[in-house]
Amino acid sequence: GNSVTQMEGPVTLSEEAFLTINCTYTATGYPSLFWYVQYPGEGLQLLLKATKADDKGSNKGFEATYRKETTSFHLEKGSVQVSDSAVYFCALAPAGTGRRALTFGSGTRLQVQP
Amino acid sequence: NAGVMQNPRHLVRRRGQEARLRCSPMKGHSHVYWYRQLPEEGLKFMVYLQKENIIDESGMPKERFSAEFPKEGPSILRIQQVVRGDSAAYFCASSPGTTNEKLFFGSGTQLSVL
Repeated sequence: GNSVTQMEGPVTLSEEAFLTINCTYTATGYPSLFWYVQYPGEGLQLLLKATKADDKGSNKGFEATYRKETTSFHLEKGSVQVSDSAVYFCALAPAGTGRRALTFGSGTRLQVQP
Repeated sequence: NAGVMQNPRHLVRRRGQEARLRCSPMKGHSHVYWYRQLPEEGLKFMVYLQKENIIDESGMPKERFSAEFPKEGPSILRIQQVVRGDSAAYFCASSPGTTNEKLFFGSGTQLSVL
């Protein structure tokens, strides 16, 4: 079946540090890949997505590249801010249109210190 | 525009009681998904509903759990005779159409079973 594995947290960084949160997946075919973010007390929000190999999703300074050869979709940001403190979820949507449910990773908590 | 509204935010039940979780999708959205997040785990898909129809319930436990999305009113996730293992965060998401790439999540209901 489909699965998503992401690095355990918490990840603690100082402001302006470089961020990488690793995400790898297992799926048949060519799934779509997503990063969602959950700020304290709020629901998950779509951060970025990529729908085919070598696509790069980007938003708010965050980037992730769909790597088919390594089945990865690592999240990166060049300079984090305190306001980026949140839980980040990697997710995939199966290829095709039959099953519509997203498969999520366990989430990685990011803490950015001033 | 109001986002996806879930209530209550926190629900405490004793073993054997019933839990009812409510989800009002975003205005204009007719597709609702329920996910469960156990401690230290990712979000697990439970059920996908459209108005008055259950489309995919492959993630629902076979017993004690049920879901509905009536023509009028919110979607309801009902858990009968709760047990301690049901303690989790339950998230609802809605979308405007059949694509799973535009999901909007609520803030979740934290169910605690004593």
